[in-house]
Amino acid sequence: QKEVEQNSGPLSVPEGAIASLNCTYSDRGSQSFFWYRQYSGKSPELIMFIYSNGDKEDGRFTAQLNKASQYVSLLIRDSQPSDSATYLCAVKSLDTGRRALTFGSGTRLQVQP
Amino acid sequence: NAGVTQTPKFQVLKTGQSMTLQCAQDMNHNSMYWYRQDPGMGLRLIYYSASEGTTDKGEVPNGYNVSRLNKREFSLRLESAAPSQTSVYFCASSERVNTIYFGEGSWLTVV
Repeated sequence: QKEVEQNSGPLSVPEGAIASLNCTYSDRGSQSFFWYRQYSGKSPELIMFIYSNGDKEDGRFTAQLNKASQYVSLLIRDSQPSDSATYLCAVKSLDTGRRALTFGSGTRLQVQP
Repeated sequence: NAGVTQTPKFQVLKTGQSMTLQCAQDMNHNSMYWYRQDPGMGLRLIYYSASEGTTDKGEVPNGYNVSRLNKREFSLRLESAAPSQTSVYFCASSERVNTIYFGEGSWLTVV
């Protein structure tokens, strides 16, 4: 079982709609959760991170975390064609042997004009 | 305003050849990382260095070696390249794990 699971997509939404991206993780020791956006041929860039259960909002983006269900999601409101990219979920464990992020394989989002 | 700089950006190798990917950061970060990215596999950690003088294996270290030359530089070496090492390689650095900065990537093809 992969440590961080994401649906590869593509997830297709119309412009202006809400895009919902989901991620599950297997390590209950995971403490920090991150969403990265990656355009084709480019490097990942951080959108936001979340540590605590509940919601965290930043502009059009909302991250949601449910540690009991080992589930983290990213909502993108008022989706724009420029949001079309691959979204990577990443987790950080408290395990001292894991000092880097573990990434999921990403979900490709397509926003249709 | 360079951030994390990787060289080369593109490279084609023959099976069995060796090469070194160079990475340098100008943000005075302690931690540096090498990831590889393959289609459908996401980013997988090859090696990381928590501080100057230390290196640790990640998820997929076989076939690679690293050197943390100083605080700025972290190189990745392929001693005998194999087609399975065809990938996009990303170097990254951070001071805290919630602020990881990635380089632009190095596209490596082994034929």
